[in-house]
Amino acid sequence: DTEVTQTPKHLVMGMTNKKSLKCEQHMGHRAMYWYKQKAKKPPELMFVYSYEKLSINESVPSRFSPECPNSSLLNLHLHALQPEDSALYLCASSQEGSGSTEAFFGQGTRLTVV
Amino acid sequence: AQKVTQAQTEISVVEKEDVTLDCVYETRDTTYYLFWYKQPPSGELVFLIRRNSFDEQNEISGRYSWNFQKSTSSFNFTITASQVVDSAVYFCALSGAYSGAGSYQLTFGKGTKLSVIP
Repeated sequence: DTEVTQTPKHLVMGMTNKKSLKCEQHMGHRAMYWYKQKAKKPPELMFVYSYEKLSINESVPSRFSPECPNSSLLNLHLHALQPEDSALYLCASSQEGSGSTEAFFGQGTRLTVV
Repeated sequence: AQKVTQAQTEISVVEKEDVTLDCVYETRDTTYYLFWYKQPPSGELVFLIRRNSFDEQNEISGRYSWNFQKSTSSFNFTITASQVVDSAVYFCALSGAYSGAGSYQLTFGKGTKLSVIP
Protein backbone atom coordinates (compact mmCIF):
# COMPACT_ATOMS: atom_id res chain seq x y z
CA ASP A 1 0.00 0.00 0.00
CA THR A 2 1.18 3.50 -0.80
CA GLU A 3 2.22 5.62 2.11
CA VAL A 4 1.20 8.77 0.29
CA THR A 5 -2.56 9.17 0.28
CA GLN A 6 -4.37 11.42 -2.15
CA THR A 7 -8.03 12.41 -2.10
CA PRO A 8 -10.23 12.40 -4.01
CA LYS A 9 -9.23 9.72 -6.49
CA HIS A 10 -11.51 11.18 -9.17
CA LEU A 11 -12.84 14.71 -9.56
CA VAL A 12 -15.07 16.31 -12.17
CA MET A 13 -15.41 20.06 -11.93
CA GLY A 14 -16.80 22.89 -13.96
CA MET A 15 -14.71 25.81 -15.11
CA THR A 16 -16.27 28.11 -12.50
CA ASN A 17 -15.86 25.72 -9.57
CA LYS A 18 -13.40 25.85 -6.72
CA LYS A 19 -12.04 22.55 -5.48
CA SER A 20 -9.05 21.24 -3.56
CA LEU A 21 -6.85 18.19 -3.91
CA LYS A 22 -5.38 16.75 -0.74
CA CYS A 23 -2.24 14.76 -0.06
CA GLU A 24 -1.02 13.23 3.17
CA GLN A 25 2.13 11.34 4.13
CA HIS A 26 3.32 9.99 7.47
CA MET A 27 6.85 8.98 6.58
CA GLY A 28 8.43 12.05 8.16
CA HIS A 29 9.43 13.39 4.77
CA ARG A 30 10.02 17.12 4.64
CA ALA A 31 9.93 17.58 0.86
CA MET A 32 6.60 17.29 -0.94
CA TYR A 33 5.75 17.70 -4.59
CA TRP A 34 2.89 18.18 -7.00
CA TYR A 35 3.20 16.70 -10.47
CA LYS A 36 0.80 16.89 -13.40
CA GLN A 37 0.59 14.03 -15.85
CA LYS A 38 -1.27 14.15 -19.15
CA ALA A 39 -2.26 10.93 -20.90
CA LYS A 40 0.68 9.03 -22.39
CA LYS A 41 3.16 11.58 -21.08
CA PRO A 42 5.62 11.53 -18.18
CA PRO A 43 4.85 13.48 -15.00
CA GLU A 44 5.72 17.16 -15.05
CA LEU A 45 6.80 18.93 -11.89
CA MET A 46 4.53 21.76 -10.72
CA PHE A 47 5.55 22.68 -7.17
CA VAL A 48 8.06 21.67 -4.52
CA TYR A 49 7.69 22.31 -0.81
CA SER A 50 10.62 21.95 1.53
CA TYR A 51 10.03 22.22 5.28
CA GLU A 52 6.53 23.56 4.56
CA LYS A 53 7.87 26.38 2.41
CA LEU A 54 7.35 26.70 -1.30
CA SER A 55 10.77 26.30 -2.90
CA ILE A 56 9.92 25.72 -6.54
CA ASN A 57 7.05 26.88 -8.73
CA GLU A 58 7.55 25.70 -12.29
CA SER A 59 5.74 28.69 -13.79
CA VAL A 60 2.37 27.19 -12.98
CA PRO A 61 -0.70 29.39 -13.72
CA SER A 62 -2.21 31.10 -10.70
CA ARG A 63 -5.42 29.11 -11.04
CA PHE A 64 -3.41 26.40 -9.26
CA SER A 65 -2.60 27.40 -5.68
CA PRO A 66 -0.57 25.06 -3.46
CA GLU A 67 -0.64 25.04 0.29
CA CYS A 68 1.34 23.11 2.90
CA PRO A 69 -0.47 23.42 6.27
CA ASN A 70 2.02 21.17 8.07
CA SER A 71 4.77 18.69 7.37
CA SER A 72 2.34 15.87 6.61
CA LEU A 73 -0.19 17.64 4.42
CA LEU A 74 -0.12 19.19 0.99
CA ASN A 75 -3.09 20.75 -0.76
CA LEU A 76 -3.65 22.00 -4.27
CA HIS A 77 -6.46 24.56 -4.58
CA LEU A 78 -8.10 24.77 -7.99
CA HIS A 79 -10.09 27.70 -9.33
CA ALA A 80 -11.32 28.67 -12.78
CA LEU A 81 -9.63 25.76 -14.48
CA GLN A 82 -9.68 25.10 -18.20
CA PRO A 83 -10.52 21.83 -19.96
CA GLU A 84 -6.84 21.46 -20.88
CA ASP A 85 -6.07 21.19 -17.17
CA SER A 86 -7.69 17.76 -17.16
CA ALA A 87 -4.96 15.33 -16.11
CA LEU A 88 -3.72 13.02 -13.40
CA TYR A 89 -2.34 15.02 -10.49
CA LEU A 90 0.28 13.20 -8.48
CA CYS A 91 1.60 14.06 -5.07
CA ALA A 92 4.99 12.79 -3.90
CA SER A 93 7.26 13.09 -0.92
CA SER A 94 10.91 12.45 -0.20
CA GLN A 95 13.44 12.96 2.54
CA GLU A 96 15.08 16.36 2.72
CA GLY A 97 18.78 16.53 3.30
CA SER A 98 22.05 15.45 1.82
CA GLY A 99 21.96 12.23 -0.09
CA SER A 100 19.24 11.99 -2.63
CA THR A 101 16.53 9.50 -1.95
CA GLU A 102 13.64 8.22 -3.92
CA ALA A 103 10.32 10.01 -4.10
CA PHE A 104 7.20 8.10 -3.08
CA PHE A 105 4.07 8.85 -5.04
CA GLY A 106 0.41 8.68 -4.23
CA GLN A 107 -2.20 7.10 -6.49
CA GLY A 108 -3.11 10.45 -7.93
CA THR A 109 -6.31 12.37 -8.54
CA ARG A 110 -7.81 12.05 -12.01
CA LEU A 111 -9.22 15.49 -12.72
CA THR A 112 -11.69 16.24 -15.47
CA VAL A 113 -12.62 19.85 -16.17
CA VAL A 114 -15.89 20.29 -18.06
CA ALA B 1 20.61 20.17 -18.69
CA GLN B 2 19.50 16.65 -17.91
CA LYS B 3 17.82 14.30 -20.32
CA VAL B 4 16.48 10.76 -20.17
CA THR B 5 15.72 8.82 -23.32
CA GLN B 6 13.57 5.71 -23.43
CA ALA B 7 13.60 4.85 -27.08
CA GLN B 8 11.07 2.02 -26.80
CA THR B 9 7.58 3.48 -26.74
CA GLU B 10 5.72 0.18 -26.52
CA ILE B 11 6.81 -3.43 -26.12
CA SER B 12 4.68 -6.57 -26.25
CA VAL B 13 5.93 -9.93 -25.04
CA VAL B 14 4.36 -13.27 -24.39
CA GLU B 15 4.19 -14.37 -20.79
CA LYS B 16 7.39 -16.03 -19.49
CA GLU B 17 9.58 -14.27 -22.03
CA ASP B 18 12.41 -12.04 -20.81
CA VAL B 19 12.27 -8.36 -21.72
CA THR B 20 14.75 -5.50 -21.41
CA LEU B 21 13.72 -1.86 -21.17
CA ASP B 22 16.36 0.59 -22.30
CA CYS B 23 17.26 3.89 -20.67
CA VAL B 24 19.95 6.33 -21.76
CA TYR B 25 20.65 9.50 -19.83
CA GLU B 26 22.57 12.75 -20.18
CA THR B 27 23.85 14.88 -17.33
CA ARG B 28 26.79 17.11 -16.54
CA ASP B 29 26.61 16.33 -12.84
CA THR B 30 29.35 14.12 -11.46
CA THR B 31 27.01 12.86 -8.76
CA TYR B 32 23.53 11.86 -9.79
CA TYR B 33 20.85 9.29 -9.14
CA LEU B 34 18.92 7.04 -11.47
CA PHE B 35 15.51 5.54 -10.81
CA TRP B 36 12.98 3.20 -12.31
CA TYR B 37 9.29 3.59 -11.59
CA LYS B 38 6.37 1.39 -12.59
CA GLN B 39 2.97 2.93 -13.35
CA PRO B 40 0.13 0.41 -13.60
CA PRO B 41 -3.25 1.47 -15.00
CA SER B 42 -4.33 2.54 -11.51
CA GLY B 43 -2.01 5.53 -11.87
CA GLU B 44 0.31 5.30 -8.90
CA LEU B 45 4.01 5.55 -9.64
CA VAL B 46 5.67 2.66 -7.83
CA PHE B 47 9.32 3.08 -6.94
CA LEU B 48 11.43 0.12 -8.10
CA ILE B 49 15.08 1.07 -7.68
CA ARG B 50 17.53 3.88 -7.09
CA ARG B 51 21.13 3.70 -8.28
CA ASN B 52 23.84 6.20 -7.29
CA SER B 53 26.29 7.35 -9.94
CA PHE B 54 29.26 6.13 -7.93
CA ASP B 55 27.90 2.61 -7.58
CA GLU B 56 28.01 0.66 -10.81
CA GLN B 57 27.13 -2.66 -9.29
CA ASN B 58 24.31 -4.36 -11.06
CA GLU B 59 21.35 -5.35 -8.96
CA ILE B 60 18.92 -8.21 -8.95
CA SER B 61 15.64 -8.33 -7.11
CA GLY B 62 13.65 -11.44 -7.80
CA ARG B 63 12.71 -11.39 -11.49
CA TYR B 64 13.98 -7.83 -11.89
CA SER B 65 17.56 -6.86 -12.68
CA TRP B 66 19.25 -3.61 -13.55
CA ASN B 67 22.40 -2.98 -15.58
CA PHE B 68 24.07 0.38 -14.95
CA GLN B 69 26.93 1.33 -17.28
CA LYS B 70 28.42 4.80 -16.89
CA SER B 71 30.58 4.31 -19.96
CA THR B 72 27.50 4.24 -22.16
CA SER B 73 25.25 6.35 -19.88
CA SER B 74 22.73 3.56 -19.74
CA PHE B 75 20.58 2.09 -16.99
CA ASN B 76 18.67 -0.82 -18.46
CA PHE B 77 15.99 -2.86 -16.75
CA THR B 78 15.36 -6.55 -17.41
CA ILE B 79 12.34 -8.55 -16.36
CA THR B 80 12.91 -12.29 -16.41
CA ALA B 81 10.03 -14.68 -17.03
CA SER B 82 7.55 -11.86 -17.51
CA GLN B 83 4.05 -12.10 -16.04
CA VAL B 84 0.78 -10.42 -16.92
CA VAL B 85 1.04 -8.35 -13.72
CA ASP B 86 4.17 -6.75 -15.15
CA SER B 87 2.04 -4.95 -17.72
CA ALA B 88 2.46 -1.25 -17.01
CA VAL B 89 4.27 1.88 -18.14
CA TYR B 90 7.84 1.98 -16.88
CA PHE B 91 9.63 5.28 -16.38
CA CYS B 92 13.34 5.81 -16.05
CA ALA B 93 14.24 9.00 -14.18
CA LEU B 94 17.29 11.03 -13.22
CA SER B 95 18.01 13.52 -10.45
CA GLY B 96 21.05 15.52 -9.54
CA ALA B 97 22.88 15.57 -6.25
CA TYR B 98 21.43 17.30 -3.26
CA SER B 99 22.02 21.03 -3.41
CA GLY B 100 19.25 22.48 -1.31
CA ALA B 101 15.52 22.62 -1.23
CA GLY B 102 13.85 21.08 -4.19
CA SER B 103 16.91 19.31 -5.40
CA TYR B 104 15.14 16.03 -5.88
CA GLN B 105 13.52 17.12 -9.06
CA LEU B 106 13.13 14.13 -11.26
CA THR B 107 13.73 14.26 -14.98
CA PHE B 108 11.60 11.49 -16.45
CA GLY B 109 11.95 9.64 -19.70
CA LYS B 110 8.83 9.38 -21.84
CA GLY B 111 8.12 5.90 -20.55
CA THR B 112 7.87 2.45 -22.10
CA LYS B 113 4.51 0.71 -22.15
CA LEU B 114 4.98 -2.99 -21.55
CA SER B 115 2.21 -5.40 -22.42
CA VAL B 116 2.60 -9.00 -21.33
CA ILE B 117 0.27 -11.27 -23.25
CA PRO B 118 -0.96 -14.45 -21.55
